[in-house]
Amino acid sequence: KAGVTQTPRYLIKTRGQQVTLSCSPISGHRSVSWYQQTPGQGLQFLFEYFSETQRNKGNFPGRFSGRQFSNSRSEMNVSTLELGDSALYLCASSFSGRDHTGELFFGEGSRLTVL
Amino acid sequence: AQTVTQSQPEMSVQEAETVTLSCTYDTSENNYYLFWYKQPPSRQMILVIRQEAYKQQNATENRFSVNFQKAAKSFSLKISDSQLGDTAMYFCAFMKYYTGANSKLTFGKGITLSVRP
Repeated sequence: KAGVTQTPRYLIKTRGQQVTLSCSPISGHRSVSWYQQTPGQGLQFLFEYFSETQRNKGNFPGRFSGRQFSNSRSEMNVSTLELGDSALYLCASSFSGRDHTGELFFGEGSRLTVL
Repeated sequence: AQTVTQSQPEMSVQEAETVTLSCTYDTSENNYYLFWYKQPPSRQMILVIRQEAYKQQNATENRFSVNFQKAAKSFSLKISDSQLGDTAMYFCAFMKYYTGANSKLTFGKGITLSVRP
């Protein structure tokens, strides 16, 4: 079974630009969540999607948005990039059925550098 | 809101020895999960061990075991017979339990564990 796939793995942008990151979950997983990882703030929850609907949202400004497609693939978008958006963005998928265990399966992340 | 605290930023252990990583949390919830995740250098995060709050028995996975003290809101990870491959950042995490599941983890700051040969 293929794991969680995130693209691109690395990218460099300049302030003011926007970026779109993609995540393909494990087959059969309908829940996709996104996390931002920085040395200063650690791991912070961005949002979660289930069946194309945002089910939960973290405390991030509106510049951070996401969506989920009918095949459960998800994208997140950051507009008007700031230097502080430089981070590793992690996507995770999970099984949300009746016998869920709460375990999240993480991708390798997309490392964004904003110059 | 939940908080997870890992007060030790770094630890080091000799190969084959035992090490304990500490974690405390704060919540008003009664049903929840606690996790330890491992993030090796430049590699993806993987689950080490999981504990359901309603279970009194401490979870064990091979060389990894936890000491879950619900009243004290403490959740420490013990790694026995440490191996070089255990070198990684370890995160303690909390998840509120929902019948329909959810994916919102609250993480601690993490601890960098180095296993010395």
